[in-house]
Amino acid sequence: AQKITQTQPGMFVQEKEAVTLDCTYDTSDQSYGLFWYKQPSSGEMIFLIYQGSYDEQNATEGRYSLNFQKARKSANLVISASQLGDSAMYFCAMRGIGGLTFGKGTHLIIQP
Amino acid sequence: DTGVSQNPRHKITKRGQNVTFRCDPISEHNRLYWYRQTLGQGPEFLTYFQNEAQLEKSRLLSDRFSAERPKGSFSTLEIQRTEQGDSAMYLCASSPTSGGESYEQYFGPGTRLTVT
Repeated sequence: AQKITQTQPGMFVQEKEAVTLDCTYDTSDQSYGLFWYKQPSSGEMIFLIYQGSYDEQNATEGRYSLNFQKARKSANLVISASQLGDSAMYFCAMRGIGGLTFGKGTHLIIQP
Repeated sequence: DTGVSQNPRHKITKRGQNVTFRCDPISEHNRLYWYRQTLGQGPEFLTYFQNEAQLEKSRLLSDRFSAERPKGSFSTLEIQRTEQGDSAMYLCASSPTSGGESYEQYFGPGTRLTVT
């Protein structure tokens, strides 16, 4: 069985600071994929970034980067130069046999 | 831009009634997924389709739930004899496949169900 653990229920960060959202995972699969999604208060899930288990480089997408440490089974999301619009729920997820397995999320609040 | 659409956006129903939700995926995506999200939790996988074939069902999908994707395009999720515990946001997502693998899933806005 797969499991995603996000240990930060909520975080407050000053605008323009970098923020790291933690994610650890557990799986017995040799090949897997890890995702981060953002869910603003409006409710839609927005795809941010993907990391494959065999990718040698950490994934980056604009201000988002994924700090992938395979031996530690961690896939932390780093947001550089945070903006007020980054305030939202953030979910780490892993691709399973069918759908994605999600963590419980981190509620990020960016303060001016 | 034609993303994933879901209808209705909100549904209030009385316990015991049947409800049906519709999802229209991104047109070229052959995989379609249903999730349920309750307050304070991440989405939980319910079921998915590859074209018109339903390939996987979570144990969360009780006998009162049924999903179809008859022509491999839109999908419906029906809940029979609704219970208060069915109150949740029902999310639909779609994804393309490449080499048999699916990658990022694109989510619709969800249908929020309230059972009174």
